[in-house]
Amino acid sequence: AQSVSQHNHHVILSEAASLELGCNYSYGGTVNLFWYVQYPGQHLQLLLKYFSGDPLVKGIKGFEAEFIKSKFSFNLRKPSVQWSDTAEYFCAVNAGGTSYGKLTFGQGTILTVHP
Amino acid sequence: SAVISQKPSRDICQRGTSLTIQCQVDSQVTMMFWYRQQPGQSLTLIATANQGSEATYESGFVIDKFPISRPNLTFSTLTVSNMSPEDSSIYLCSVARKAGALVTEAFFGQGTRLTVV
Repeated sequence: AQSVSQHNHHVILSEAASLELGCNYSYGGTVNLFWYVQYPGQHLQLLLKYFSGDPLVKGIKGFEAEFIKSKFSFNLRKPSVQWSDTAEYFCAVNAGGTSYGKLTFGQGTILTVHP
Repeated sequence: SAVISQKPSRDICQRGTSLTIQCQVDSQVTMMFWYRQQPGQSLTLIATANQGSEATYESGFVIDKFPISRPNLTFSTLTVSNMSPEDSSIYLCSVARKAGALVTEAFFGQGTRLTVV
């Protein structure tokens, strides 16, 4: 079975700082990769996804992520965070060939951005 | 996108009782799933709700504890049976769409926050 590991439980940054959240997965086959965000009091929303093609994917709100197959990683980045980015971020994996939509989530990373 | 409505949004229940959570989607979807998010933990898939047949449960989850119904392509229910405080969690409904051979993304409801006392 696949698993997903997020490196940091809680990240605290000041506005305009750069962000990188680590995500590693364990699965040897084809995977679909996602980053979801949950703003306080809101439901999970998709930030970005990778299915195939260019390993550098761009999502909403200036976020991007890079899939590095050799490292089994899918790290999330943003060059300059804003206070409104304060939220919890989840990396998720869907193993290719399994039921579409079945996701294995990482533990989540809480991002706090100070103004 | 898909709009998912879950009811109730929260509830406080007595141990030993059961709670049924409803999930309504604004359009027909192929795949529906139920997840659990225990306090301080990530989301864990409970089961896939199959339209017209029995749900498919993940390891560690059983039908007697979490019976699921899916009478059509827009609606599903999850029942948490014989509750104990360990069942206190957020329960989320999720749906996924396919675009040809690809799944586009999974959408989530706002969740049901359950507290068992």
